[in-house]
Amino acid sequence: DQQVKQNSPSLSVQEGRISILNCDYTNSMFDYFLWYKKYPAEGPTFLISISSIKDKNEDGRFTVFLNKSAKHLSLHIVPSQPGDSAVYFCAASPYYGQNFVFGPGTRLSVLP
Amino acid sequence: SAVISQKPSRDICQRGTSLTIQCQVDSQVTMMFWYRQQPGQSLTLIATANQGSEATYESGFVIDKFPISRPNLTFSTLTVSNMSPEDSSIYLCSVDLSEYTQYFGPGTRLTVL
Repeated sequence: DQQVKQNSPSLSVQEGRISILNCDYTNSMFDYFLWYKKYPAEGPTFLISISSIKDKNEDGRFTVFLNKSAKHLSLHIVPSQPGDSAVYFCAASPYYGQNFVFGPGTRLSVLP
Repeated sequence: SAVISQKPSRDICQRGTSLTIQCQVDSQVTMMFWYRQQPGQSLTLIATANQGSEATYESGFVIDKFPISRPNLTFSTLTVSNMSPEDSSIYLCSVDLSEYTQYFGPGTRLTVL
């Protein structure tokens, strides 16, 4: 049973517009969440994180929103750029030092 | 952040052979992790390697198939033993830093014929 779900395998967005990537989880013990970006032939790159004590975290063009009651988080990229085209993974963990569980990923394509 | 390198970056191996993948970090870290990403799938944790103790394996992974060494705080190896085509994957090491964030190496792309 998948504990971390990313129900959209792919997403296409026009350059300059907002990209919204969604992630749902089932384990209520998850307390810490990360987003990674992965280009082909490279390892995942950490983007942004959020802990359950917050509902929003912002870093430049990237904002992550967490809705604990809905067990849902989303990553907003504004404005989207062609270089953002990659696979995005969300990952969740119940506490520090515990292993992360990764979602299946969403492939984002930003069209010029 | 941390700079993580892996060797080899890719390899093509024959069925029944073994391959050892090396992971080197530019700083001392307590926890290192080995992941597998099979074609079209997400990252799956194989095991956690802490220096000075036996690696902890996730369900579905065993030491005989994936022996791990962790001789010091900057280095680890993962061996894929007695390979079959089902082992064709990208293997990634990652480290857990004090900021409670995992950083990944570039991965090793393994193809088993």
